[in-house]
Amino acid sequence: NAGVTQTPKFQVLKTGQSMTLQCAQDMNHEYMSWYRQDPGMGLRLIHYSVGAGITDQGEVPNGYNVSRSTTEDFPLRLLSAAPSQTSVYFCASSRAGLNTEAFFGQGTRLTVV
Amino acid sequence: AQSVSQHNHHVILSEAASLELGCNYSYGGTVNLFWYVQYPGQHLQLLLKYFSGDPLVKGIKGFEAEFIKSKFSFNLRKPSVQWSDTAEYFCAVKKDTGRRALTFGSGTRLQVQP
Repeated sequence: NAGVTQTPKFQVLKTGQSMTLQCAQDMNHEYMSWYRQDPGMGLRLIHYSVGAGITDQGEVPNGYNVSRSTTEDFPLRLLSAAPSQTSVYFCASSRAGLNTEAFFGQGTRLTVV
Repeated sequence: AQSVSQHNHHVILSEAASLELGCNYSYGGTVNLFWYVQYPGQHLQLLLKYFSGDPLVKGIKGFEAEFIKSKFSFNLRKPSVQWSDTAEYFCAVKKDTGRRALTFGSGTRLQVQP
């Protein structure tokens, strides 16, 4: 079972470059979200979506854009990468509502030089 | 404001020692509570979860956690740790209102010495 698939696994960008981190899930989950993980700070929510066409900001949305055109896909776009965006990024999905478990992708390690 | 607190940032134990990692959250409504583990270089794995019912929940690999509503706590325990438990542990909360996503604590790095 594929679950939540993130690509790429590793990426190095130069300051000012743009890129899209891909996230796809095959469980027909309504909710999807993006987190970044930094040492000593846990995982912080960047953006999330409760369904196709609906997105909202999390704790640290600046510098990131998202869209949700299908239930399966939730790409994260960095429009102009900055060294402060060096992090490990995780995508997650879950069914709607409470009493549901989130499933995480394998992560993307991004370095901005 | 941080609504999930993990007070132990780095814990070092010897094999066979008992483990308790603290987690407190600041929300008065209904919550789902989770503990995740991240082994070095790997992604997050669910250890256990609490939705409702018995406040003592058992998870994988001999871990358990107790939900104490009056203390807003969900501490993780294991009677006897192994070297393979060396990892980072994250507490997470999902609320019944607001953002439909998890809020994580800052994590606790556990190092088990053989």
